Amino acid sequence: NAGVTQTPKFQVLKTGQSMTLQCAQDMNHEYMSWYRQDPGMGLRLIHYSVGAGITDQGEVPNGYNVSRSTTEDFPLRLLSAAPSQTSVYFCASRAGGRGGELFFGEGSRLTVL
Amino acid sequence: DAKTTQPTSMDCAEGRAANLPCNHSTISGNEYVYWYRQIHSQGPQYIIHGLKNNETNEMASLIITEDRKSSTLILPHATLRDTAVYYCIVRVGSTGNQFYFGTGTSLTVIP
Repeated sequence: NAGVTQTPKFQVLKTGQSMTLQCAQDMNHEYMSWYRQDPGMGLRLIHYSVGAGITDQGEVPNGYNVSRSTTEDFPLRLLSAAPSQTSVYFCASRAGGRGGELFFGEGSRLTVL
Repeated sequence: DAKTTQPTSMDCAEGRAANLPCNHSTISGNEYVYWYRQIHSQGPQYIIHGLKNNETNEMASLIITEDRKSSTLILPHATLRDTAVYYCIVRVGSTGNQFYFGTGTSLTVIP
C-alpha cells in the first residue's frame, strides 16, 4: 500500500494564482483532512471530510476550498493564493470509528511570492 | 481555547526514560488522547492513543490520570532518534472528527 500520497511536494506560486494540492489514499479510509504548518508552529486543521460528498471546516478554512467526490481523493484548492498561505501542507486519513489513528502524507511545501 | 497544554521543550539523557506531560482539562468523557511526533518537517508519526486506561505498545506507554484531565507519554529508553516534536492531541467536535495539534513539546535527547 502507498498510504497517503500528496502531490506536488514543492510548489512556488505568484500572488493571485490558483492551484490544487492533491491527496490520495489507498486504505479505503472514510475520514480525510488537511493541515497547514507554519515555521515553528504546530499543525492547524483547515478542512476535513468524513466521507464522499461530506466536508466541513476546521480552524483555518478561509482561502481554501475542498471537495470529496470519491473515497480516495481529497484535493485542496487555493483560488487566489496569498503570501500568508506560504506553508507546509499535510493531508491525513483514518478509518471510521472513534479509536482509529491518523495516517499522514509527507507534506507539500508551498511558497507564495 | 487551548485544547491541550504542553511544555515548550524538554531534554532527556540518552538511555533514560523521557516523560512528556500534557494537560487536557476540558476533555469530554468520550474523547481520546493521541500522541504523535514529528521529526524535522516530515509527516507526523503516530505513537499511541488511549481513552481511560493506561496503554503500552512497542514505542511508548501512555498514562492517563483518573480524572482524565492530564496524561504522560513515557519513552522508556530514549535514543538520539527520539529527538522530535511531540504532540498531545484530543479529538473534539460533535462527531469526534476534529484533531487539534497544538504547538507540542520539542524533546532533545542528549548523548
